Amino acid sequence: GQQVMQIPQYQHVQEGEDFTTYCNSSTTLSNIQWYKQRPGGHPVFLIQLVKSGEVKKQKRLTFQFGEAKKNSSLHITATQTTDVGTYFCEYNFNKFYFGSGTKLNVKP
Amino acid sequence: GAVVSQHPSRVICKSGTSVKIECRSLDFQATTMFWYRQFPKKSLMLMATSNEGSKATYEQGVEKDKFLINHASLTLSTLTVTSAHPEDSSFYICSAETSGANTGELFFGEGSRLTVL
Repeated sequence: GQQVMQIPQYQHVQEGEDFTTYCNSSTTLSNIQWYKQRPGGHPVFLIQLVKSGEVKKQKRLTFQFGEAKKNSSLHITATQTTDVGTYFCEYNFNKFYFGSGTKLNVKP
Repeated sequence: GAVVSQHPSRVICKSGTSVKIECRSLDFQATTMFWYRQFPKKSLMLMATSNEGSKATYEQGVEKDKFLINHASLTLSTLTVTSAHPEDSSFYICSAETSGANTGELFFGEGSRLTVL
């Protein structure tokens, strides 16, 4: 069946360092979404990627969707302490499923 | 953006009792809502899809008699944890997608943390 793996599980960085999380699917995805969940909070939508090879930017965040639409990444440039949280990719096959998440900790 | 409200945010109950969690879409109609369960430091696990006016669709391994879902109106879905046991303690969170928006965005409630003693 459909499997989407998200790595890494945890990432500890010094403030100012970059961060990347990846989601890799065994099959082609129609689209992929990214969410951020702060500690104690609920997931908040960041972006949707639909097109093959799509790249979208939101300030320090860069989102990519692979050419084969099987891989996606979220990259944060020069992390800040406000970036702390867990980042999830989300994909859907008539229902909405989430990757395992990458927990980001940023040391000031 | 659209607002989804979930209540209660925290509930503590005794083993064997039932607990109802409400999920409301405040400023939009949601024909479909989704219920997730999240264990500490884990991802969101889809439990069921709640469909307005019809039976919920449960994911494999989720007991439908244990987790009763009712979606009686376009703005309200409820999850009832029946005969709760300590292993049911978890963070339950609902979400909904605005119809026709086609943005892929799910709007989440604030979540309900259930502790069963």
